[in-house]
Amino acid sequence: AQSVAQPEDQVNVAEGNPLTVKCTYSVSGNPYLFWYVQYPNRGLQFLLKYITGDNLVKGSYGFEAEFNKSQTSFHLKKPSALVSDSALYFCAVRDYRDYKLSFGAGTTVTVRA
Amino acid sequence: DAGVIQSPRHEVTEMGQEVTLRCKPISGHNSLFWYRQTMMRGLELLIYFNNNVPIDDSGMPEDRFSAKMPNASFSTLKIQPSEPRDSAVYFCASSLALSGASTDTQYFGPGTRLTVL
Repeated sequence: AQSVAQPEDQVNVAEGNPLTVKCTYSVSGNPYLFWYVQYPNRGLQFLLKYITGDNLVKGSYGFEAEFNKSQTSFHLKKPSALVSDSALYFCAVRDYRDYKLSFGAGTTVTVRA
Repeated sequence: DAGVIQSPRHEVTEMGQEVTLRCKPISGHNSLFWYRQTMMRGLELLIYFNNNVPIDDSGMPEDRFSAKMPNASFSTLKIQPSEPRDSAVYFCASSLALSGASTDTQYFGPGTRLTVL
């Protein structure tokens, strides 16, 4: 079985400050990890993914995520948050042998001006 | 690239009516997924097609739900009869799965917000 935990329902940061959205996962085999963002009344937009290789993955809109195998984590980060980053963020995991993508419950990010 | 296209974007219907949701995947993609999103249950996978063939429909909640993919560019999700508890946002996603590899990214459509009164 595979699962994802996003321990924070909400994250609030001031514009210009660093943003971190936490994600931990559980999977029996090698994990493939994804981050998506959902703006109000929109579909999920792909941000970045980790498949193999460098543990630091860079994605769209200045976001990056660090894969940590020992801590089974894949936290999303942005050095300087923008008000426009306010949205719902989902972490997802898939076992390398499977097609099913398991999503976390989501974290609502609010960036205040 | 037009992305995944879904229609309608919003659907309001009365209990007992038939509802049909439509999806056009990204051209060239051979995998298609239907998801349902609710506050209580989050994102749930309903059904997965590969090369137009249903591979896994274990997430379909009950017999009232059915999905088809008659060709590579079109899929439908039908609910008959609809019930208030079916109210949710339904997403379609597609991906390019090469030789069963699971490194492919799923790309989501904008969703259909269904309200059953």
